[in-house]
Amino acid sequence: QITLKESGPTVVKPTQTLTLTCTFSGFSLSTRGVGVGWIRQPPGKALEWLALIYWNDDKRYSPSLRSRLTISKDTSKNQVVLTLTNMDPGDTATYFCAHNTYDFVVVPAAIYYMDVWGKGATVTVSS
Amino acid sequence: DVQMTQSPSSLSASVGDRVTITCRASPDISSYVNWYQQKRGTAPKLLIYAASNLQSGVPSRFSGSGSGKDFTLTISSLQPEDVATYYCQQSYSTPWTFGQGTKVEVK
Repeated sequence: QITLKESGPTVVKPTQTLTLTCTFSGFSLSTRGVGVGWIRQPPGKALEWLALIYWNDDKRYSPSLRSRLTISKDTSKNQVVLTLTNMDPGDTATYFCAHNTYDFVVVPAAIYYMDVWGKGATVTVSS
Repeated sequence: DVQMTQSPSSLSASVGDRVTITCRASPDISSYVNWYQQKRGTAPKLLIYAASNLQSGVPSRFSGSGSGKDFTLTISSLQPEDVATYYCQQSYSTPWTFGQGTKVEVK
């Protein structure tokens, strides 16, 4: 059974750096094709995809946040870490991590989807 | 970035009604669309992947269709437990993007 859990501060001050950790079980991030991604949701708003790291350390980022985001993995600890620098009240949101897997139902390439999500971590940016 | 335009933004239907939510992609994304259900205060749940494939454990009243630019999520017979916000998402190319969401309520 795959599970993921987000952890980190609930409140950060403007200009500070947010560090969130996704601790997972039930899969290995060294397994070919697997990924872990981060998605956030401001209060009352839609989901926003942030970043993704694959088993081979390939990393993808949202262009609008690319200069502020870093994603990394520690395979031995079953953890993925997301940092977001220069926090602003507009970054107040619930942050989710999700297991990314793929299928070859769409030829010729695989389709990725987020099949298991953590419960989310609420982060408020306030002085 | 691939744009995902979802409609309607909200709807209200009676139990047993057929409900349809649409998502339009720009540009063409083949069948690289997934659908999620998010109930209030919880994480999203995968319903459909690759436009029409039902995720394991999801009730068969949910179905997806479409390819190219136009996609549809259908609930064949709305149930009270289907009250939620539904999102489409493209995984054709990063950055992956979501639709704006459709809030479904029961009359």
